[in-house]
Amino acid sequence: QKEVEQNSGPLSVPEGAIASLNCTYSDRVSQSFFWYRQYSGKSPELIMSIYSNGDKEDGRFTAQLNKASQYVSLLIRDSQPSDSATYLCAVNTLNTGTASKLTFGTGTRLQVTL
Amino acid sequence: GAGVSQSPRYKVAKRGQDVALRCDPISGHVSLFWYQQALGQGPEFLTYFQNEAQLDKSGLPSDRFFAERPEGSVSTLKIQRTQQEDSAVYLCASSGSRTSALDEQFFGPGTRLTVL
Repeated sequence: QKEVEQNSGPLSVPEGAIASLNCTYSDRVSQSFFWYRQYSGKSPELIMSIYSNGDKEDGRFTAQLNKASQYVSLLIRDSQPSDSATYLCAVNTLNTGTASKLTFGTGTRLQVTL
Repeated sequence: GAGVSQSPRYKVAKRGQDVALRCDPISGHVSLFWYQQALGQGPEFLTYFQNEAQLDKSGLPSDRFFAERPEGSVSTLKIQRTQQEDSAVYLCASSGSRTSALDEQFFGPGTRLTVL
């Protein structure tokens, strides 16, 4: 079982709609959670971080975290064609006394159609 | 600089050659990470530095991979005797705090390595 699971997609949504991206993780002691956007041929760009249960909103983006269900999601409101990219979910996997490396899912490809 | 920089952006190596990839983190960032990203996959952790100390190298795939950060700033990832399976994008990320598990990591543009 992969430590961080995402549906690879593509997820296709019409312009102006809400895109919902989901991620589950296996390590119950994970503490912090991140969403990165990656355009084709580019490097990951951090768009949201979330650390506690509930919702966190930033502009058109809302991250949702449910630690009991080991589930984190990203909602994109009023989706634009420029949102078309791969969205990577990343989880902080802390080794006792050492690093805060990130474990990534394989990403969900989002396509926003006109 | 304003962000993480990496060089070269592209590297083509013949199988068996040694390569060196450079990362210049965000100024003042204590933590530096190397990741490897294969096509269609998420980044995979390779190694982590806190200042000049390499605290975790559990992700390095073989002893052909070596990383250093001698002065706690610029880091170099070296791959000896490259193999075709080493072809990937190598990403460097940095973050600002010493020990916080809540750090946000910021990525450089990556180095795309192709081994022929």
